[in-house]
Amino acid sequence: ETGVTQTPRHLVMGMTNKKSLKCEQHLGHNAMYWYKQSAKKPLELMFVYSLEERVENNSVPSRFSPECPNSSHLFLHLHTLQPEDSALYLCASSQVSGSFYEQYFGPGTRLTVT
Amino acid sequence: QKEVEQNSGPLSVPEGAIASLNCTYSDRGSQSFFWYRQYSGKSPELIMSIYSNGDKEDGRFTAQLNKASQYVSLLIRDSQPSDSATYLCAVGERFGAGTRLTVKP
Repeated sequence: ETGVTQTPRHLVMGMTNKKSLKCEQHLGHNAMYWYKQSAKKPLELMFVYSLEERVENNSVPSRFSPECPNSSHLFLHLHTLQPEDSALYLCASSQVSGSFYEQYFGPGTRLTVT
Repeated sequence: QKEVEQNSGPLSVPEGAIASLNCTYSDRGSQSFFWYRQYSGKSPELIMSIYSNGDKEDGRFTAQLNKASQYVSLLIRDSQPSDSATYLCAVGERFGAGTRLTVKP
């Protein structure tokens, strides 16, 4: 256990559904991240929140909508997804201080879009 | 585009040997470098961080950083079958595609 939890662990959804992924960190960190991991591709950084403000959005389609209500919780709201969005979605947290930010990952949510 | 490049492997070494994993990056201004280990079906686990040029040792693991050459490496001494995994190099928040390592008994 890294102190970062994610729910659900597995999710199957149709292209017209709306669902949300949840991440919670118990490490007292000040930054949280969403990554997408597809087969044979590098981890793709999607969103970064630092002190509850979104500081990075890497040209992610608008069908993915993040929310960070406080420093411990992070959500990824999903709607009208495409089959190519099927992947492992990883949440991470870190304590950012200057250039020092070691990330700790949750177990991930395996998403399948049908 | 800030890129992190790794040999995809697979890299196979016998038990007890030294495994050498390499990574290059494109952003000269990078300050933070990490190695993560990812077992099949699991999430990445941080094993080493390095911020200054030179070597950093932690048990059987040694990370090496050369900012002038934009190169970072990971050495695993006395490799064990339990080290078999995919090793991800990260420069800041950017990850390479990973190198799959197999340690054969």
